[in-house]
Amino acid sequence: EIVLTQSPGTLSLPPGERASLSCRASQRVTSDYLAWYQQKPGQAPRLLIYGASGRATGIPDRFSGSGSGTDFTLTISGLKPEDSAVYYCQQYGVPPHTFGQGAKLEIK
Amino acid sequence: QVQLQESGPGLVKPSGTLSLTCSVSGGSMGSSSYYWGWIRQPPGKGLEWIATIYYSGNAFHNPSLQSRVSISVDTSNHQFSMKLTSVTAADTAIYYCARRDWVGIFDHWGQGVLVTVSS
Repeated sequence: EIVLTQSPGTLSLPPGERASLSCRASQRVTSDYLAWYQQKPGQAPRLLIYGASGRATGIPDRFSGSGSGTDFTLTISGLKPEDSAVYYCQQYGVPPHTFGQGAKLEIK
Repeated sequence: QVQLQESGPGLVKPSGTLSLTCSVSGGSMGSSSYYWGWIRQPPGKGLEWIATIYYSGNAFHNPSLQSRVSISVDTSNHQFSMKLTSVTAADTAIYYCARRDWVGIFDHWGQGVLVTVSS
């Protein structure tokens, strides 16, 4: 199965800055089928990005995804306090579909 | 707007069977565009896909759990269910049900239910 490794494990940034979260796959992700989810404490994950760069419905354009093959990035610009969360990448190109271990973003 | 809601016992004894049901509202489970799945999250840890099922009953399971997990669908009652047998403390987790699109994206999730395996 494809192993997804996210980095950094934790990122702390002040409001207004830009965050870049990395997701590296152990092998090529077919068709760049890579999604990003945001999970806040006590909540279910929420879909942010699909197909490496497509924004899900209702997601602000501050959130953007990029990358292809084995290296993908989630970028969040103009950070707001409500962006504090754990972010997960998921590949759905090669069964079994797998998730990364998560990356915690702190805004302070 | 489709909504999903998990239900089931919050406590299961070791070696027992964990059984959960997901009730779906606001959308048709018989749509050819979607699958229905289960994902779990041990406390303080990451997400693990468990199994997915199509309205026709065609199912897929995580190989690491395949021998212990079963999934079923009841479109007439707008529900799908999972069973996990021979549970241990390692199966303690928040269990989420979710709608998966044709490609593999989980676009709608239930709120999750905590299941603890303990005697």
